[in-house]
Amino acid sequence: EIVLTQSPATLSLSPGERATLSCRASQSVSSYLAWYQQKPGQAPRLLIYDASNRATGIPARFSGSGSGTDFTLTISSLEPEDFAVYYCQQRSNWLPITFGQGTRLEIK
Amino acid sequence: QLQLQESGPGLVKPSETLSLTCTVSGGSISSSSYYWGWIRQPPGKGLEWIGSIYYSGSTYYNPSLKSRVTISVDTSKNQFSLKLSSVTAADTAVYYCARLRRQWLVGQWGQGTLVTVSS
Repeated sequence: EIVLTQSPATLSLSPGERATLSCRASQSVSSYLAWYQQKPGQAPRLLIYDASNRATGIPARFSGSGSGTDFTLTISSLEPEDFAVYYCQQRSNWLPITFGQGTRLEIK
Repeated sequence: QLQLQESGPGLVKPSETLSLTCTVSGGSISSSSYYWGWIRQPPGKGLEWIGSIYYSGSTYYNPSLKSRVTISVDTSKNQFSLKLSSVTAADTAVYYCARLRRQWLVGQWGQGTLVTVSS
């Protein structure tokens, strides 16, 4: 099983600041990496797929990068509605599809 | 507008079988473009992939749950279902049904249903 390790566990920032979230895979997942946002009491929402492609309707302030084992989700200028928990997800060679443990983005 | 709605008991006794159904509206479960899946989230914890199914009945299960999981589809009712046997307290979670692109990308989620395993 591929383990996804997200860092930091919690990120405290202010609106308007830039957020950088990391996801590291225990072995290469090529570009098969997605990012989701989850707000309290809600289902997650797909933000980024294939490492760098924004899903439909996702604002341009969200961007993804990376390949292989190291990936980054960047939010260029935080809006109040961006404070949430973010998960990465991988699929590779049909080993179990797995999620990272999440990064909580909180208001400083 | 596609909607997915989970239904089933919110309380299951230990060692029994958890059964949930997902009803799809606003779209056909027989679409060749999508798979359909189940994901769960224990309270306060992260997400776990349970498995997926195609309208033809082809399935993929998380190996860690495979011995206890069955996912089935009923195209006539536009529904798919999850059965998880021999449940324990560790199976307490919010269970989400979902529509999948390329078998793994969760583009649409149900609202989720909390299932508690307790005597």
